[in-house]
This record gives sequence, C-alpha cells and structure tokens, in this order.
Amino acid sequence: AQKITQTQPGMFVQEKEAVTLDCTYDTSDPSYGLFWYKQPSSGEMIFLIYQGSYDQQNATEGRYSLNFQKARKSANLVISASQLGDSAMYFCAMREFPSGNTPLVFGKGTRLSVIA
Amino acid sequence: NAGVTQTPKFQVLKTGQSMTLQCAQDMNHEYMSWYRQDPGMGLRLIHYSVGAGITDQGEVPNGYNVSRSTTEDFPLRLLSAAPSQTSVYFCASTATGQIANGAYEQYFGPGTRLTVT
Repeated sequence: AQKITQTQPGMFVQEKEAVTLDCTYDTSDPSYGLFWYKQPSSGEMIFLIYQGSYDQQNATEGRYSLNFQKARKSANLVISASQLGDSAMYFCAMREFPSGNTPLVFGKGTRLSVIA
Repeated sequence: NAGVTQTPKFQVLKTGQSMTLQCAQDMNHEYMSWYRQDPGMGLRLIHYSVGAGITDQGEVPNGYNVSRSTTEDFPLRLLSAAPSQTSVYFCASTATGQIANGAYEQYFGPGTRLTVT
C-alpha cells in the first residue's frame, strides 16, 4: 500500500499568490515525521520543512508552512507569495520512528509552475 | 564539509556491463541510503544502511548490491546493467539521534544520471 499520496501531478499558480500542495500519508505508527523537499530543474533535492507527529503546532519556515491535520493524515504544504523561482517538483515524504531510524518514503511528487 | 558527494555525475553503460556508483559523506552520519528517480515515480528506495557493516533492502533492490565497510562510504554496484536501470540515482545520509529541531533531515547528493543502452 502506498504510504505517501500526492494527488496533484501538476499545479499552476499566479506569481504572488498562495498555493497548497496536497499530501496524505498512511501509517499505524504513532511516532513519525513528515518532510517536504523541492527539486528544481537543476535536479538537486532541497529540504524545505519538517513536521513531527507529536508537534503541537504546524511547522513554518519562511514562506513555507505545513498544514498538519493528524486525524485526516494529511500534511499539505502551503507556499505563500509564490515566486517564479518556486517552479519545481515538490515531494512529500515520511519517516516512521518505531525504534531509531527507518527509511524515508516519498510520494510521486507535484510539479508546480508559477506564472508571471 | 563537502556534505554528500556522488561520482560520477553522468554515465553511459552497455547492457551487461557492471559499474559502481560512489557515495561518500563527511558528516559522520550513521544512516545512508540509495534512491532511484524515474519520471512520474518519485524517489524509490533501493538499499539503505543504518551503520557500518549493516545494510538492508528497500523497495526496488533487484539488480543492485551495496556494502558499508566505513561510516563515510556507501557504494552502489550494478552487476549486469539493464536498460530498466536507466535512471537518476541519489545517495542520501541522515544523522541518527537528535539534530537541529529533531528533524532527522536527510541530506542528498547531487545525483548520478545513468543511461543503459
């Protein structure tokens, strides 16, 4: 069963607007972490933001925020005030912590295009 | 710190050839992993290692071997390359234990683009 689901293969957003990229996950472990990565056309993987399953507040990092809804098992990425440089692939990922580290599992990604 | 380094950056192989993709990190991370990225498939885990001398299979291990003789290095071997192994390969490492904000952030290398003809 797929552990991370990103249902939007592609998204368009107008420059300076906000955009939400969806991510749902599946786990029975109470301890886990959710990650978002950005992959621009140059190919490198850039870490954006992290949310732990026990974190009481939604994570924020500059223009990035994570809308964490634990009961719904969703961890949507919100990008505020989109910029042309935000055009990239975005991947949601999860790691479970039953005891120590486990592999980071990725969704299939969403391609975001920012329009001037 | 160089972070996670991968060599080569590009490689073309003929079917049946063997080669090793190199990965090294200088952050003293215990946890290292290899992913392949194919269009529309995201990143899929090939093999991973939780420390020197310990390796385990990921989602798509067939056709690949790994070893972890040191904390720093985690090479990926293709024993007999097939066109289905044409992909971009990423190596990654993570610090175990608590790091900044407890994020267990995974650091990626720049990737190796492999074409098998």
